[in-house]
Amino acid sequence: EIVLTQSPGTLSLSPGERATLSCRASQSVSGRYLAWYQQKPGQAPRLLMYAVSIRATGIPERFSGSGSGTDFTLTISRLEPEDFAVYYCQHYGSSWTFGQGTKVEIK
Amino acid sequence: QVQLVESGGGLVKPGGSLRLSCAASGFSFSDYYMTWVRQAPGKGLEWVSHISSRSSFTNYTDSVKGRFTVSRDNAKNSLYLQMNNLTPEDTAVYYCARPLAAYSNNWPLDFWGQGTLVTVSS
Repeated sequence: EIVLTQSPGTLSLSPGERATLSCRASQSVSGRYLAWYQQKPGQAPRLLMYAVSIRATGIPERFSGSGSGTDFTLTISRLEPEDFAVYYCQHYGSSWTFGQGTKVEIK
Repeated sequence: QVQLVESGGGLVKPGGSLRLSCAASGFSFSDYYMTWVRQAPGKGLEWVSHISSRSSFTNYTDSVKGRFTVSRDNAKNSLYLQMNNLTPEDTAVYYCARPLAAYSNNWPLDFWGQGTLVTVSS
């Protein structure tokens, strides 16, 4: 089973700043089966990115994903007020696991 | 539009049972794998189980194997999770979710229900 470790646990930033979230896998992720989700309090998660770097429907261009093998990154180029939330990476396909989450909070 | 509505959550004593349901609409339910994901209070997401479109394949996270059973009724567009021998560690919001594409489990989850809360406590 692949274990996903996200860092940092909390990211304190101001609107307009760039956010860089990391997701490290315990073994290589085959097939680029890596996704990112956003979750706000009291809401279900929302799919942001899949196959490492493909934006889901309706996701703004300020969100981008990159990486390969065991190291993946979600970047938010300029934080908008609605982007402050918890973000999870996920491996899907042969096995399914989530990272523990990164909270992006207002500084 | 796609809708997933969970029901059946509630308060149950340790060792008890509960059956969750998820009513699907707005898409061809019988073409999709379906998944249960849970989230303990204040914690992260945990994949629980999924079931193939025709129920031929099921899979579970280790902590629920032998206690939980996923099933579906394609004629009723419904997904179920039978939970037996519940423990306090099963306390969570349980979400049903649909993958991005049909016929395969090699897709992330792009539609989620609102979740149903299961509380296991004496």
